[in-house]
Amino acid sequence: GAGVSQSPSNKVTEKGKDVELRCDPISGHTALYWYRQSLGQGLEFLIYFQGNSAPDKSGLPSDRFSAERTGGSVSTLTIQRTQQEDSAVYLCASSSMDRSADSPLHFGNGTRLTVT
Amino acid sequence: AQSVTQPDIHITVSEGASLELRCNYSYGATPYLFWYVQSPGQGLQLLLKYFSGDTLVQGIKGFEAEFKRSQSSFNLRKPSVHWSDAAEYFCAVGASGTASKLTFGTGTRLQVTL
Repeated sequence: GAGVSQSPSNKVTEKGKDVELRCDPISGHTALYWYRQSLGQGLEFLIYFQGNSAPDKSGLPSDRFSAERTGGSVSTLTIQRTQQEDSAVYLCASSSMDRSADSPLHFGNGTRLTVT
Repeated sequence: AQSVTQPDIHITVSEGASLELRCNYSYGATPYLFWYVQSPGQGLQLLLKYFSGDTLVQGIKGFEAEFKRSQSSFNLRKPSVHWSDAAEYFCAVGASGTASKLTFGTGTRLQVTL
């Protein structure tokens, strides 16, 4: 596609349920990133993929959070047993090269997650 | 660890007035610096970036930013603001020569009055 696509755009879930957020990066982009944007906060890094591997997952806030990427393309961020503090906008970004600073991040429009 | 501070949470300017958004960073070596803009309900769009060389960088939409090593700053400027510039602006720093994450500031929300 022309840009990074994320689905769903909005998700409301009950506390304790599991959710899956999907990111479809720009075709050919090898690097993929997940960020979280909470109200009044900046963007918080969650995880970085290069191809299908995740060399940096240091930002995942707890073991309830996991992510995978298959075929070097689509990525899924899974949050198990959601809590209210998980409510945020989850942004996905991709870039064409290993070195993110040389190749700018292209962001999707995000998934707004609300945990009730 | 790298960090970014955007001291202004919210700024209001009149259309046609000049704009300066402040950004201070903390990083041990020469940083890679970025400004992104986020319109409501949208993802982030890159305005400009600094890697090396000329410390005054030009970006899209008439924006520019100046890297000042002595002040650890990378302020964003525009000589004449348009109503369509109303958005949230994020400064970010990346570690040079490495892959992976950027560190973002908390953002500055720009309001433009007519």
